[in-house]
Amino acid sequence: SQKIEQNSEALNIQEGKTATLTCNYTNYSPAYLQWYRQDPGRGPVFLLLIRENEKEKRKERLKVTFDTTLKQSLFHITASQPADSATYLCALEEGSARQLTFGSGTQLTVLP
Amino acid sequence: EPEVTQTPSHQVTQMGQEVILRCVPISNHLYFYWYRQILGQKVEFLVSFYNNEISEKSEIFDDQFSVERPDGSNFTLKIRSTKLEDSAMYFCASRAVEPGYTFGSGTRLTVV
Repeated sequence: SQKIEQNSEALNIQEGKTATLTCNYTNYSPAYLQWYRQDPGRGPVFLLLIRENEKEKRKERLKVTFDTTLKQSLFHITASQPADSATYLCALEEGSARQLTFGSGTQLTVLP
Repeated sequence: EPEVTQTPSHQVTQMGQEVILRCVPISNHLYFYWYRQILGQKVEFLVSFYNNEISEKSEIFDDQFSVERPDGSNFTLKIRSTKLEDSAMYFCASRAVEPGYTFGSGTRLTVV
């Protein structure tokens, strides 16, 4: 099964800057990779997915890239705000039921 | 926006007791899942349910666990004889054919 690593456990940035989070996987390249946001004591919230044939995907201030050669996805939040503070999870689907395998997450804190 | 609803939000139970965690998935979704998250750890897959039967389960989902969709709308997770190590957040999730899950807010289970 896949192993997913999110390199930073915690990331602090100043409001207005761009946050960049990294997700690496170990085995085969998935058909797509997903990003979720999780607030304390809450369930993950789906943000974006990127397919293996897409290099980049954008949604408002969010941007995701996918490099199947490096086995890596980058997640960017531009013009970051304190309200963006949360844990961001990288996930991919595995198995016949397409269940999610999650990374351990990166806790982002945006400082005012 | 449609939601996945979980009840109760918090359950405290004595070791050895049975608990039932309840979920109402999104009505036109076809695939249903249970995940759990032990405090400070990753979100982990437990079981998937499709077409009124289990489609896949993890090694965590042993004989003490069972799932049911008793009435076409509710989706339950039963733990027959709880252990201290079952203490975790349990998340129900559902999805349509397209990827991108909707998670509930979770049930915090505390076994004492």
